[in-house]
Amino acid sequence: DAGVIQSPRHEVTEMGQEVTLRCKPISGHNSLFWYRQTMMRGLELLIYFNNNVPIDDSGMPEDRFSAKMPNASFSTLKIQPSEPRDSAVYFCASRPGQGGSPLHFGNGTRLTVT
Amino acid sequence: AQSVTQPDIHITVSEGASLELRCNYSYGATPYLFWYVQSPGQGLQLLLKYFSGDTLVQGIKGFEAEFKRSQSSFNLRKPSVHWSDAAEYFCAVGAQGYSTLTFGKGTMLLVSP
Repeated sequence: DAGVIQSPRHEVTEMGQEVTLRCKPISGHNSLFWYRQTMMRGLELLIYFNNNVPIDDSGMPEDRFSAKMPNASFSTLKIQPSEPRDSAVYFCASRPGQGGSPLHFGNGTRLTVT
Repeated sequence: AQSVTQPDIHITVSEGASLELRCNYSYGATPYLFWYVQSPGQGLQLLLKYFSGDTLVQGIKGFEAEFKRSQSSFNLRKPSVHWSDAAEYFCAVGAQGYSTLTFGKGTMLLVSP
C-alpha cells in the first residue's frame, strides 16, 4: 500500500499563473477529497468525489478553482489564475466507500503564490 | 451540520507526564469520531476512531479516547508522553454513514524535557 500520493510537494509560483496539483488515491478507494489547510481557517474541505463523480464542491472558494477526477486513480486541483491568498497546504485524502471508514491523507502540497 | 471545538491551541507537557487533549462536538445523533495526528511537513495520520460500542477506544502509539455523550466530548489521553509525540492533533466528526469529516482547528502539543 503506497498510500495517497500527491505531487508536487512544494510549488512556488507568481500571482496570475496557473497551478495544477495532482493526487493518486489508494487503489480500491472510491471516495476522494481535497482539503486546504491554513493557519487562519484550519482544514477546509474543498470538494469530494465518489466513484469519480463530484458530489459536493460547495467548499471551492471561487471559480478560479476547479477539480477533476478523470479516472479512479487520478485527480487534479487547478487554480487559474493564482493569487497570494491561495497560499496554503493542499491535502488529498481517500477512503474505501461508506460505512465510516477513515480518511487516508497524502503528505500535501505546500503552495506559495508570490 | 456538525462542528468540532478544540479549546486548546497549544499545550506543553513534560516528557513522561500524562496528557489529555480536549474535543467537543456538536451533532444531533451519535457521531463518528476520529483523532488524527500531524507531524511537521506530513499529512494527517489516524490515531483512533469511535463508531459505537465501548466508549473507551484504544489507538496507536499508546493513545486512547473516551466518548462521553452527556458532555459531547471525545478527549484524547496518553498516560506518559514521549518527546516524539510532539505534533499537532486534530479531532474530527462525521455523521452516521458519513461522506465527509469536519475537523477541529487542532491542538499543538509541545513536549518539554
